[in-house]
Amino acid sequence: NAGVTQTPKFQVLKTGQSMTLQCAQDMNHEYMSWYRQDPGMGLRLIHYSVGAGITDQGEVPNGYNVSRSTTEDFPLRLLSAAPSQTSVYFCASSRGEGGYTFGSGTRLTVV
Amino acid sequence: GQQLNQSPQSMFIQEGEDVSMNCTSSSIFNTWLWYKQDPGEGPVLLIALYKAGELTSNGRLTAQFGITRKDSFLNISASIPSDVGIYFCAGQLAGSARQLTFGSGTQLTVLP
Repeated sequence: NAGVTQTPKFQVLKTGQSMTLQCAQDMNHEYMSWYRQDPGMGLRLIHYSVGAGITDQGEVPNGYNVSRSTTEDFPLRLLSAAPSQTSVYFCASSRGEGGYTFGSGTRLTVV
Repeated sequence: GQQLNQSPQSMFIQEGEDVSMNCTSSSIFNTWLWYKQDPGEGPVLLIALYKAGELTSNGRLTAQFGITRKDSFLNISASIPSDVGIYFCAGQLAGSARQLTFGSGTQLTVLP
């Protein structure tokens, strides 16, 4: 049982490039979320999904897109990377009741 | 957005000491959660609280859901070196589609 799998673990982008952060869970969880973690600021919600085909914006959605075509996958797309998007990104999933299970993160640097 | 005020920001304690940290908010939460994050890893759920006044233990950890539903605390008894890490509180607001609001974390260092 792999839980929540995020790829890649590390990425360096140039300003203006686009990329997709992958997230997959094998627990048949309905709820999935993307967070970014910056020093001293805890985790902030970017986008979330309450089921396949349903997504919504969180606290800091600008510059990011998501889609949820299957229950298992919830990719996060950076449209045009900016240095302000340098951060650690976490994907998480939940069955609804109780807490979320987190992936091990993607460390992104935009130069 | 909603804010959780978590304190203290950091703690340095001797091995064997007890630790207490807490979170407060101006909003009412339906669920309080406590997570621990080790370096280079994602947060791991320690304790989940679902009812006002609830007191729950997980080994040496004890957490309580405040009676006003606006606060929670986490206690760690008899700390050991592997307790080192960042502890986060998180809450779920009513009508939030079960999304979490996180505190800014407490960095715990345990000295031998």
